[in-house]
Parts: sequence; C-alpha cells; structure tokens
Amino acid sequence: SQTIHQWPATLVQPVGSPLSLECTVEGTSNPNLYWYRQAAGRGLQLLFYSVGIGQISSEVPQNLSASRPQDRQFILSSKKLLLSDSGFYLCACKTGPTYNEQFFGPGTRLTVL
Amino acid sequence: LAKTTQPISMDSYEGQEVNITCSHNNIATNDYITWYQQFPSQGPRFIIQGYKTKVTNEVASLFIPADRKSSTLSLPRVSLSDTAVYYCLVGARGDAGGTSYGKLTFGQGTILTVHP
Repeated sequence: SQTIHQWPATLVQPVGSPLSLECTVEGTSNPNLYWYRQAAGRGLQLLFYSVGIGQISSEVPQNLSASRPQDRQFILSSKKLLLSDSGFYLCACKTGPTYNEQFFGPGTRLTVL
Repeated sequence: LAKTTQPISMDSYEGQEVNITCSHNNIATNDYITWYQQFPSQGPRFIIQGYKTKVTNEVASLFIPADRKSSTLSLPRVSLSDTAVYYCLVGARGDAGGTSYGKLTFGQGTILTVHP
C-alpha cells in the first residue's frame, strides 16, 4: 500500500516570501500525483497533476508552480506568496484500479501573514 | 465534470443508519460516483465507488437508481467517530485510454455530526 509524506506539516510565511512544499510517495512506482488546496471551511481545489517525471498540468492559473523531479517526488512552489495562498495543501496519488480512487497525504497547513 | 448537490449538514445519533443523498442530474454515460470522507486537519479518504445499482463494502453502501441522477451513501449504525465531512464526486474513472487522469472535483460536502 502507498504511503505519502508531506513536509512541513505546518508553515507560517510572510506575504511575498517564497514557498516550497514537498511530497514523496512510497509503495508505488510511476504514480499519478496531485496537488490540492483546501481553504478554511471549503472543499478541495485541484491545483496540479502529474502523470510522470517532468510532466505537469495546471488546473488553476495562479502564482504557484509544481515540479516532479523524480518519479515519486512532487514539489509545490511559489516565488512570492499572497495572503490568498493560505490553506491546507494536500498531495495525493492514484491508488486502486480507477483514477477516482486517490490516496491523500497528511497535508501541510500554510498560513500567509 | 458533472456538478453535484448534497445537503450542507446532517445530524444523527449513535447506532442509527445515516443516508446522505447526492444529486447529479447531468451525469454522463461514462461517469462513476465516488464518495470520500474527511476528518478535520486530515486528507480525504476514499469510501466507495459505483456506477449503477448497489455497491457495498465493509464501510458503507452506495445506492444508485436506474436513471443515475442521484445516489445515496448509507452508513450503518454510525458512531461518534463517523463525524466528518462526506463528499460526493462524479467523473470518469480514467481507465486506460481515458483522458481524465482522475481530476477530482470536490464540492462543499456534507458535514455529518453524530451525537451521543
């Protein structure tokens, strides 16, 4: 079974500072990987997905970017954080026989002040 | 992706059966219905998925009528630990040859509160 590690678990950053969130996956190879964001009290929003190394698709235009330097590593970045970037960031991978079955990591709580 | 509508919140008591209904009037022929559960400060957890009729696993049952325009998640004999947000999602499974790549769209979900 898959295991997803995300770090850091919590992060407080000032507006305008850079961001780097990391996600690593164990127990699977060549996974589909996803970055979601959840604002307080709201549903999840898909930000990026990747079907392989170096392959990134963006779902929402924003000041965030994603990279996949290794098969089981997925990184979310920003050069300059905005207040609206605050939220709960979740990394997920496909699990099971269908793409609708995804396994989520523990998440990173980001607060931008 | 088909849009879903589900109640904002529901209340229940320990030991009762809970049924959460989701409407998806514009579901497409190749769409599946998937339900997730989310506890506070945790990522969602896959519960169950179905296409039509009834699906049952160790956690829940999913009832889908013939027209597939709605579905009902049934949780038998809930406990306090079932208090969570439940999301109904509709979309293509993205099997080999598909192009959806599992791009899940989460709505607001249903906040289920189980009381002692």
